[in-house]
Amino acid sequence: QVQLQESGPGLVKPSQTLSLTCTVSGGSISSGDFYWSWIRQPAGKRLEWVGRISISGSTDYNPSLKSRVTIAIDTSKNQFSLKLSSVTAADTAAYYCARVNRGSSWYYFDYWGQGTLVTVSS
Amino acid sequence: DIQMTQSPSSLSATVGDRVTITCRASQSIRSYLNWYQQKPGKAPKLLIYAASNLQSGVPSRFSGSGSGTDFTLTISSLQPEDFATYYCQQTYNSPLTFGPGTKVDVK
Repeated sequence: QVQLQESGPGLVKPSQTLSLTCTVSGGSISSGDFYWSWIRQPAGKRLEWVGRISISGSTDYNPSLKSRVTIAIDTSKNQFSLKLSSVTAADTAAYYCARVNRGSSWYYFDYWGQGTLVTVSS
Repeated sequence: DIQMTQSPSSLSATVGDRVTITCRASQSIRSYLNWYQQKPGKAPKLLIYAASNLQSGVPSRFSGSGSGTDFTLTISSLQPEDFATYYCQQTYNSPLTFGPGTKVDVK
């Protein structure tokens, strides 16, 4: 059973960089037809896709965040990470990592981490 | 970006009710539509992918239909554990986008 777990600071100061790591267990991050993705959700609001990375390192980001987002993968550690620069209060949200299943040409998020709340405040 | 809307935004129901939630895309997304269930403080859980495919382990009372721009999630007989918020998601084009959610609560 694949499991994902987010980790990182729960409090980030405005203008600084938010950094989160997702650790994958129960399977290799390098195997299978998957992407690895970040999604966020401000309190009481809809889910927002942040971006995704493939095992080869190719990325796709939400244009609304593209200038500030970097997603990286470390296959040796079975982890992928998110960096979001120049944060403001609007970046306060629960951040989720998820596996993107691309099997049979479809595309869906089948495993999710439990989520981590990141608050941007001085 | 493809805009996703859902109706209703919330509904009140009783155990045993048949519940139907509608999702509409701003342009055709063929069948690239997924449904998720989210309970307070928890991560979303995949219910349906590719509009009508039941994810492994999900009860058969959940079903999905539709293609193009209009989609439906149906719960045939609502159970106590089904009170939650339901989101649709399009994966036809980047950026991937979600609907605003439909909250199902107790009547």
